[in-house]
Amino acid sequence: NAGVTQTPKFQVLKTGQSMTLQCAQDMNHEYMSWYRQDPGMGLRLIHYSVGAGITDQGEVPNGYNVSRSTTEDFPLRLLSAAPSQTSVYFCASSLGRGYRAFFGQGTRLTVV
Amino acid sequence: GQQVMQIPQYQHVQEGEDFTTYCNSSTTLSNIQWYKQRPGGHPVFLIQLVKSGEVKKQKRLTFQFGEAKKNSSLHITATQTTDVGTYFCAGLSNSGYALNFGKGTSLLVTP
Repeated sequence: NAGVTQTPKFQVLKTGQSMTLQCAQDMNHEYMSWYRQDPGMGLRLIHYSVGAGITDQGEVPNGYNVSRSTTEDFPLRLLSAAPSQTSVYFCASSLGRGYRAFFGQGTRLTVV
Repeated sequence: GQQVMQIPQYQHVQEGEDFTTYCNSSTTLSNIQWYKQRPGGHPVFLIQLVKSGEVKKQKRLTFQFGEAKKNSSLHITATQTTDVGTYFCAGLSNSGYALNFGKGTSLLVTP
């Protein structure tokens, strides 16, 4: 059982470039979320999804897009990367509302 | 909106000393979850508390949920170097779907 898989693990982007962070889970979880982690800021919610075709914004959604076409996949798109988006990004999934979250290994993104 | 606050932000202890981190919410929580993140790793679920006044133990770790369901604590007895990491509490976000995390308490244990 792979759990939650994130790719890539590391990425360096130039300002203005776009890219997609991939997240896949094989636990048939309905809920998936994206968080960013910055020093001293904890985990901040970017976007989340409660099922295929349903997404919503979290605390810090600006500059990011998501879609959920399948239960398994929840990609995060950076439209035009900025240095302020340098961070560690975690994808998480859970069975449903209030259930424990399973996290991926994270993607460390640097925007120069 | 609902906020989850944790104190302290950092704690440095000698091995064998006790450690406590506190979590406070601005609103009543339906449940609270605790996670541990080792340096360079990802958050890993530790426990969930649901009932008012609930106390749960996992070996040297004791978790409490306040009577008003607005605060929680994690206490580690006789810390070990393996306890090093950041401990997060989390409650449901305003939407009621995703988790809202506190900023975490980073624990450093010196042998």
